[in-house]
Amino acid sequence: GENVEQHPSTLSVQEGDSAVIKCTYSDSASNYFPWYKQELGKRPQLIIDIRSNVGEKKDQRIAVTLNKTAKHFSLHITETQPEDSAVYFCAASNDYKLSFGAGTTVTVRA
Amino acid sequence: DAGVIQSPRHEVTEMGQEVTLRCKPISGHNSLFWYRQTMMRGLELLIYFNNNVPIDDSGMPEDRFSAKMPNASFSTLKIQPSEPRDSAVYFCAIVPQASGYTFGSGTRLTVV
Repeated sequence: GENVEQHPSTLSVQEGDSAVIKCTYSDSASNYFPWYKQELGKRPQLIIDIRSNVGEKKDQRIAVTLNKTAKHFSLHITETQPEDSAVYFCAASNDYKLSFGAGTTVTVRA
Repeated sequence: DAGVIQSPRHEVTEMGQEVTLRCKPISGHNSLFWYRQTMMRGLELLIYFNNNVPIDDSGMPEDRFSAKMPNASFSTLKIQPSEPRDSAVYFCAIVPQASGYTFGSGTRLTVV
């Protein structure tokens, strides 16, 4: 089955700086890569996703890049704000099942 | 509004008791997932239903766990008998419009 690895496990950034989270996946058939944000005590919420026919996607301060050859994808958050503090999960899928990374706890220091 | 209503939000039960978790997609969906989240194991798929039929239950830990989806608007996850190691947050999720999952608010289960 699919195996998704996510790094780093924790990330502390100064407000206004950028944050980058990287994930690798094992199944070359995977074609859908969403990112979720989970605040403490709340449900994971989809923040951005990318499909395998696209190399990059941007939505305001967040962007995702995909390298299918290397089987890795990354989340970039620019101009970080305190409300960006949360746990971020990457995931990969080639069918119905999403396989999740272990999560990255992002802390934005004011 | 999460699009998926789960109940109860919190459940504390004694070891050996039966626990039933409920999930109601606000708009009926033919596909529904149950996930479990723990610090040690992260988000794990327990079972996937399509057209109310269990398609993949390979993630169900053992026979103590069972799940049903009698119609497109309701699903249950039952644990009988419950054990302390079942303590986790249980999410159900749907897939609206061929995009990523929409998760319910989850049920935090504590088995003492």
